[in-house]
Amino acid sequence: AQKITQTQPGMFVQEKEAVTLDCTYDTSDPSYGLFWYKQPSSGEMIFLIYQGSYDQQNATEGRYSLNFQKARKSANLVISASQLGDSAMYFCAMREAQTGANNLFFGTGTRLTVIP
Amino acid sequence: EADIYQTPRYLVIGTGKKITLECSQTMGHDKMYWYQQDPGMELHLIHYSYGVNSTEKGDLSSESTVSRIRTEHFPLTLESARPSHTSQYLCASSERTGTRTDTQYFGPGTRLTVL
Repeated sequence: AQKITQTQPGMFVQEKEAVTLDCTYDTSDPSYGLFWYKQPSSGEMIFLIYQGSYDQQNATEGRYSLNFQKARKSANLVISASQLGDSAMYFCAMREAQTGANNLFFGTGTRLTVIP
Repeated sequence: EADIYQTPRYLVIGTGKKITLECSQTMGHDKMYWYQQDPGMELHLIHYSYGVNSTEKGDLSSESTVSRIRTEHFPLTLESARPSHTSQYLCASSERTGTRTDTQYFGPGTRLTVL
């Protein structure tokens, strides 16, 4: 079974609007971390935000926030006030504490296009 | 801002050639990783290292090899490149803090094309 599922291959958003990118995960480990990365067309992976499984509050980093619903096993990324520079691929990833290698499991990504 | 570097950024090479992809980080991170990513697809871990003289294979089988002689350096080598090796290779590093965070920071990647 897929550990990370991103069901939106592509999303469009108007500049200055907010957008939500979906991510669901599958794990039996009670201790895990969830990450979102941005990958522009240049190819590098840029870390955006982290949510720990024991964190009581949703993570926020500037215009990025994470809508963490533990019971539903979802960790959706919310980007507020979209900018043209937000156009990129966005990947959700998870690390389980039981995986000693600190391995990150990635989803297939969502391509976000910001429309002027 | 992460200080992790990869060279070359782009490489086009013929079948059968030996290649080494370089990865260096200046953050003193113990853990380093190599991921392979086909265009528009997810990343798959192919190698990782906990520190000097430590190397392990990842989830995705790869014909490449790695070495970790210095903390800051984690090169990946393909002894005989084939067209099936065409992909993007991303290097990452993280601190060995034992916390749940341990965020991985990525380099800019190497786009390899084998003709």
